[in-house]
Amino acid sequence: GAGVSQTPSNKVTEKGKYVELRCDPISGHTALYWYRQSLGQGPEFLIYFQGTGAADDSGLPNDRFFAVRPEGSVSTLKIQRTERGDSAVYLCASSLHRTETYNEQFFGPGTRLTVL
Amino acid sequence: AQSVSQHNHHVILSEAASLELGCNYSYGGTVNLFWYVQYPGQHLQLLLKYFSGDPLVKGIKGFEAEFIKSKFSFNLRKPSVQWSDTAEYFCAVNVGSYGGSQGNLIFGKGTKLSVKP
Repeated sequence: GAGVSQTPSNKVTEKGKYVELRCDPISGHTALYWYRQSLGQGPEFLIYFQGTGAADDSGLPNDRFFAVRPEGSVSTLKIQRTERGDSAVYLCASSLHRTETYNEQFFGPGTRLTVL
Repeated sequence: AQSVSQHNHHVILSEAASLELGCNYSYGGTVNLFWYVQYPGQHLQLLLKYFSGDPLVKGIKGFEAEFIKSKFSFNLRKPSVQWSDTAEYFCAVNVGSYGGSQGNLIFGKGTKLSVKP
């Protein structure tokens, strides 16, 4: 079946602009994660959704970052007033949510965001 | 806060050489441990995982890793690398009880492996 998809694959924007990044999880996966990977670093957790609600948003760096998942499927990561330091690859992952067993996170290809 | 350290930034090996990539984590409680691989131009993929039981775990493509609790380590090994193993390797930790992958992964910075044919 189809894996996790993310659009756009690349986004170039100017400092101060607003951007939206989209993630389409694997069908039936109720858990959805956003990570950010800066150059030379590993992925860094941003936010985790279980269904429509954000179960853990402790990784969002500041209030310019916001994410939604209104119908429990597609998620959008929104960044306001972008800064050059926001340039990174934004990764999305999804998983099932079965209790008492491991739920592998499947990663998408990422969106490379460049803020000029 | 929990953290993951990967000791090598870039490792260069010839084919058939043995590989060991170091990973240490900082957390005193129950952890779940993972190695992910990212081949050039591809997504992150799970290579292997450890939750409990036998501390020596085997993954795909001949990789294995050993959990040493006293050393807070989870080193990745392969006896004989191939050119196709050229990739970036990430160690990751998830804090929680058995099967507890209901939350986020904490990744190391990654190790680039280049295998010369």
